[in-house]
Amino acid sequence: QLQLQESGPGLVKPSETLSLTCTVSGSSISTTDYYWGWIRQPPGKGLEWIGNIYYKGSTYYNPSLKSRVTISVDTSKSQFSLELSSVTAADTSVYYCARTANYYDSSGYRTQLDYWGRGTLVTVSS
Amino acid sequence: QSVLTQPPSVSGAPGQRVTISCTGSSSNIGAGYDVHWYQQLPGTAPKLLIYGNSHRPSGVPDRFSGSKSGTSASLAITGLQAEDEADYYCQSYDSSLSGSVFGGGTKLTVL
Repeated sequence: QLQLQESGPGLVKPSETLSLTCTVSGSSISTTDYYWGWIRQPPGKGLEWIGNIYYKGSTYYNPSLKSRVTISVDTSKSQFSLELSSVTAADTSVYYCARTANYYDSSGYRTQLDYWGRGTLVTVSS
Repeated sequence: QSVLTQPPSVSGAPGQRVTISCTGSSSNIGAGYDVHWYQQLPGTAPKLLIYGNSHRPSGVPDRFSGSKSGTSASLAITGLQAEDEADYYCQSYDSSLSGSVFGGGTKLTVL
């Protein structure tokens, strides 16, 4: 059974860089049919897509965060990581990693997020 | 402001049927991309409920169903149960972002 687990500091100071890692187990991260992505959810609010990475390293970022986001992958460790620079209180959120479909079948192009990590709360505060 | 539009809340009595709408635009749902639905119970991660507009993953009861038409989609829940009380999110792919877009979420209250 595929599992994803987020890890990283739960508290980050304003203007610093938030760094999280997602460890994938139970299936290969080196798959052509899926992206690996990050999604966040501010307390009491909705979901926001941050970005995706393909196992070969190609990335796709939400334009609203693109100038501050870097997503990378380490296939040898079955991990992918998120860095968000120059954080403010507005970046306080639960951060989720998830697997995103990226394949065609008989019904069309599949894009669902089928496996999620449990999420990790990151608070930006001095 | 979310790219996909959902009602903030819906409610229904046990046993009743409720629907949740999700409206997009020509760069996502209207472009033909699938709509997916997620259920988020309090304090937990979202769980895939419906994928590809109307398909249920293994283990999801057939009380949950989805449909799509034009630039909109709907999630229907029949035979409401207390355990269905949760937040529900729609999601699609957006060609202008080359990534996922979500609705703002709908809180379902079982009266």
